[in-house]
Amino acid sequence: EVQLVESGGGLVKPGGSLRLSCTASGLTFSDYKMNWVRQAPGKGLEWVSSISSSGTYIYYVDSVKGRFTISRDNAKNSMYLQMDSLRAEDTAVYYCARWGADAYWGQGTLVTVSS
Amino acid sequence: QTVVTQEPSLTVSPGGTVTLTCASSTGAVTSDYYPNWFQQKPGQAPRAVIYSTSNKHSWTPARFSGSLLGGKAALTLSGVQPEDEAEYYCLLYYGTTQVYVFGTGTKVTVL
Repeated sequence: EVQLVESGGGLVKPGGSLRLSCTASGLTFSDYKMNWVRQAPGKGLEWVSSISSSGTYIYYVDSVKGRFTISRDNAKNSMYLQMDSLRAEDTAVYYCARWGADAYWGQGTLVTVSS
Repeated sequence: QTVVTQEPSLTVSPGGTVTLTCASSTGAVTSDYYPNWFQQKPGQAPRAVIYSTSNKHSWTPARFSGSLLGGKAALTLSGVQPEDEAEYYCLLYYGTTQVYVFGTGTKVTVL
C-alpha cells in the first residue's frame, strides 16, 4: 500500500521558518515527480511547488518564489519544503501529492502563521 | 495571473446527471493541459478521479467520465449517488511555464 506522510507543521510567527517533510512508502519514490499543494482554511486547493524525480527540475507558484525551497532525498524516500519568511497568508494544510496515472496524496500537515 | 474557473456549486438529484466544467483564462483547454479531476469530502484529503482528460483510476466509479467540451475540460457524473456529494477540483498543466493551476472548485450537492 502506498503511503505519503507529511510532518513538520505547527504554529510559527510571521517572518519565521518551518521545514515540512513528506515520507513515502510502498512505491519507487525515485521514479516520481512530486508536488506540494496547500489549502487555506475553508478555501480551495493551491499548487505550491513541483520537483522532478531526480530533483533537477523545480518549479514554484509565484507567491512563494524566493521564500520556499523544495528538495528531495531519494535515498530516504523523502521530499521537503523549507518555508522561510512566512506570512499569515501561508496558513494552510500542506499536502504532498502526485497525480497522473499514479496518483497519491498524503493526509496533510497544518501550518499556522500567527503572532 | 492565470485563473482556472469552475462552477461554484451544482445540485443534482440522486440518479441524475451533472457536468462540471473547467475553463482557463488563457483560452481553450486542450489535452495538452493534461486535465486532472479530484474529489474532496469534508475533513479528507483530495482523491484523484480522472487524469489526462478522460482516464480513470482503478478506484474511480464507472459513472464518472472526463472529456473536453466547448474549449473546457469537463467531468460528468451519471447516475449520481449520495456519496458523490463533495467538492470537485480540476487541475491544469501549463507547459510553457511548467506550472500547475487548480480550478476554483465546484461543490456538488445531491438532493
